[in-house]
Amino acid sequence: KAGVTQTPRYLIKTRGQQVTLSCSPISGHRSVSWYQQTPGQGLQFLFEYFSETQRNKGNFPGRFSGRQFSNSRSEMNVSTLELGDSALYLCASSSTGREKSDTQYFGPGTRLTVL
Amino acid sequence: AQTVTQSQPEMSVQEAETVTLSCTYDTSENNYYLFWYKQPPSRQMILVIRQEAYKQQNATENRFSVNFQKAAKSFSLKISDSQLGDTAMYFCAFMGSNAGGTSYGKLTFGQGTILTVHP
Repeated sequence: KAGVTQTPRYLIKTRGQQVTLSCSPISGHRSVSWYQQTPGQGLQFLFEYFSETQRNKGNFPGRFSGRQFSNSRSEMNVSTLELGDSALYLCASSSTGREKSDTQYFGPGTRLTVL
Repeated sequence: AQTVTQSQPEMSVQEAETVTLSCTYDTSENNYYLFWYKQPPSRQMILVIRQEAYKQQNATENRFSVNFQKAAKSFSLKISDSQLGDTAMYFCAFMGSNAGGTSYGKLTFGQGTILTVHP
């Protein structure tokens, strides 16, 4: 089975721009979670989607948004980029999402640099 | 809110030796799940081991085992027979199971411990 894939792997943007990151979960997985990883703040939860619905959201401003498609692929969007948005963005998928304890499997991440 | 603390920013060990990474957490929940993830320099986060809080038996996966002390809210990872490939950042993570929905898909991570295995 193919693992979680994320595209693109690297992005360079300038302040004020917007960006869209994509995540394809493991086949059959219906839950996708997104995390931001920075040296200062560590790993922080952004949001989780299941069956095209956002079920949970972390403490991030409204500039961070996401969506999930019927094939479980997910995208996250960041508008009006700030320097502090530079980070590694990780997505993770889990099997059914019915159990809150489902083990999450991570993708390789997208490295976003904001200049 | 749950918090996870890893008090060892860096650890080192000689190849073939044993090392223990510490993790403590704070929660008011009774049922929850704990994980150790490994993130090698290539950046792919990999699950190492998982523990359900309702299970008294400590989880084991080959050379990796945990010491889960529920009352003390402690969850340490022991790596036996360390190998060069174990060099990575190790994260302890918590997932709650409350009925309020705030646990869906949310892992709370510690700050990580950088482990270096020396030949």
